[in-house]
Amino acid sequence: SQELEQSPQSLIVQEGKNLTINCTSSKTLYGLYWYKQKYGEGLIFLMMLQKGGEEKSHEKITAKLDEKKQQSSLHITASQPSHAGIYLCGADGNKLVFGAGTILRVKS
Amino acid sequence: DTEVTQTPKHLVMGMTNKKSLKCEQHMGHRAMYWYKQKAKKPPELMFVYSYEKLSINESVPSRFSPECPNSSLLNLHLHALQPEDSALYLCASSHLNRATEAFFGQGTRLTVV
Repeated sequence: SQELEQSPQSLIVQEGKNLTINCTSSKTLYGLYWYKQKYGEGLIFLMMLQKGGEEKSHEKITAKLDEKKQQSSLHITASQPSHAGIYLCGADGNKLVFGAGTILRVKS
Repeated sequence: DTEVTQTPKHLVMGMTNKKSLKCEQHMGHRAMYWYKQKAKKPPELMFVYSYEKLSINESVPSRFSPECPNSSLLNLHLHALQPEDSALYLCASSHLNRATEAFFGQGTRLTVV
């Protein structure tokens, strides 16, 4: 079964700083999805990447897919307190599987 | 309306109780899902309904009983739960075969005492 490993597990950044979260798959990625979750709440779908080399942006969040490395990265530019939360990557194997999540805290 | 509404938001129940979690969406999605999420863990799929029929049961114990009375509603009936069943239960919906683009509800925080 497909497994997704996220790094780092948690991250504390100063407001205004950039950061990157990585997601590595144990199998070939045919699509990679990023979600954000506020603690104890539902998931919010951020973006979907389906092609090698694809890069998508949503506001100050950019995600890239490197098919060869079976990896995706999520980059946040000029972080703000509103970016705080748990970021999960997901992949569609036989079912939707998630990485363990990266907890992001942004210090004002 | 792009919301998935779950009720209640919080639930505390004893091990001998029977309770139900409810989920509602009005986006015309014909796939609905129940996920269980333990603290500091990612969500784990429990059940999938497609066209109001159970299509996937991820070997969930029978003390969890899902029901899809119509295309907008999804219930999860709970009976004789154990304390280890305490978790955040998330409902989601999507167009068919689009689980990765699902809309999630806010979840029900369940505590079994």
